[in-house]
Amino acid sequence: DVKVTQSSRYLVKRTGEKVFLECVQDMDHENMFWYRQDPGLGLRLIYFSYDVKMKEKGDIPEGYSVSREKKERFSLILESASTNQTSMYLCASRSSGGLVLSSYEQYFGPGTRLTVT
Amino acid sequence: SQQGEEDPQALSIQEGENATMNCSYKTSINNLQWYRQNSGRGLVHLILIRSNEREKHSGRLRVTLDTSKKSSSLLITASRAADTASYFCATGQYGNKLVFGAGTILRVKS
Repeated sequence: DVKVTQSSRYLVKRTGEKVFLECVQDMDHENMFWYRQDPGLGLRLIYFSYDVKMKEKGDIPEGYSVSREKKERFSLILESASTNQTSMYLCASRSSGGLVLSSYEQYFGPGTRLTVT
Repeated sequence: SQQGEEDPQALSIQEGENATMNCSYKTSINNLQWYRQNSGRGLVHLILIRSNEREKHSGRLRVTLDTSKKSSSLLITASRAADTASYFCATGQYGNKLVFGAGTILRVKS
């Protein structure tokens, strides 16, 4: 079974703090993703990575950065947390292969509910 | 940008009834996927249907895809209390990304 783990289920941080969210997958997947989930908006893609040290911006990258130093680990960084970054953060991974990369299922971690006060 | 939009936003049914959720999207897709999310947890993949397919089954799940109407439906037959969850459609375009809709909240009463 594919397992995607996230470092914390719940996190409370203060405005202006630097926040690290960690994600680890154990299936040797090339692709990893960070989403945020807000009520009524579904999941929105923040960043994704298709290989070690490679990253691409998603739909809402502002205020976030990412790091992928090892294949199994993908970190999301909030450089200076703000209250509008209070949200559920979901990490996912997916294998590569085939011509259309989106045509494979994504495996999700349990999520980190971040509150910025 | 939000591609898939689910309808209804919320659905409440009795155990044993069928539940139907719909998804509409705006641009050409390569595939469409459905995911389930139990309260406060991560998403779990349910089924994938490719753009050249019209219908697909998996256990009690039946998915249809109408590319001319840019819509899909997910039918759960003989629902159970354990089916209570949020259901999301996600459209896979000709690239690396999936684009998720806002979801349908399904409540199955026992």
